Amino acid sequence: GESVGLHLPTLSVQEGDNSIINCAYSNSASDYFIWYKQESGKGPQFIIDIRSNMDKRQGQRVTVLLNKTVKHLSLQIAATQPGDSAVYFCAETDSWGKLQFGAGTQVVVTP
Amino acid sequence: NAGVTQTPKFQVLKTGQSMTLQCAQDMNHEYMSWYRQDPGMGLRLIHYSVGAGITDQGEVPNGYNVSRSTTEDFPLRLLSAAPSQTSVYFCASTSLAGGLYNEQFFGPGTRLTVL
Repeated sequence: GESVGLHLPTLSVQEGDNSIINCAYSNSASDYFIWYKQESGKGPQFIIDIRSNMDKRQGQRVTVLLNKTVKHLSLQIAATQPGDSAVYFCAETDSWGKLQFGAGTQVVVTP
Repeated sequence: NAGVTQTPKFQVLKTGQSMTLQCAQDMNHEYMSWYRQDPGMGLRLIHYSVGAGITDQGEVPNGYNVSRSTTEDFPLRLLSAAPSQTSVYFCASTSLAGGLYNEQFFGPGTRLTVL
């Protein structure tokens, strides 16, 4: 079936550097792509989303890039901070509610 | 505004026992859903509801029942717990305003262990 997956299970990044988290998707019908951050023991927290008719969207310290040609999604975090240490999930939906999640990437920020 | 709340935070059951996981939201959201998260994996959709009196199955519905008698509450019932249902359960809600995607808000989760 259709799936959303991540290339790297763990990403180690030095504090102050930029982080890039990648995600591959396979459902061409997906209309929205969302990045969530999940800290230990907590529920997923929305970071940023992008609609399929866009290729880039920026938020505070985060940028999401969408490449529909190769079905690839990425999240860039600028000037990574210790508080950015968490598991990051990409998710997709072809409707307003039913999200399909990838497996997640653990980001570890080192001093 | 408490957002999405879930109770209990932790629960241990024996195989065959039944229980209900509670979920409530105070944002007047039409859409509510339940996900389960197994270790090292993403969330998988169990059941969802687009409004009071309307529910539907997600990706992994077997062994779970839901009902939606009010806009605020969306309980998840395990009728006969099995070890395979050991997981962390998350409830989420979102507005259906505009008929387009809107941000989903997640609760803090219920960690369930079935022995």
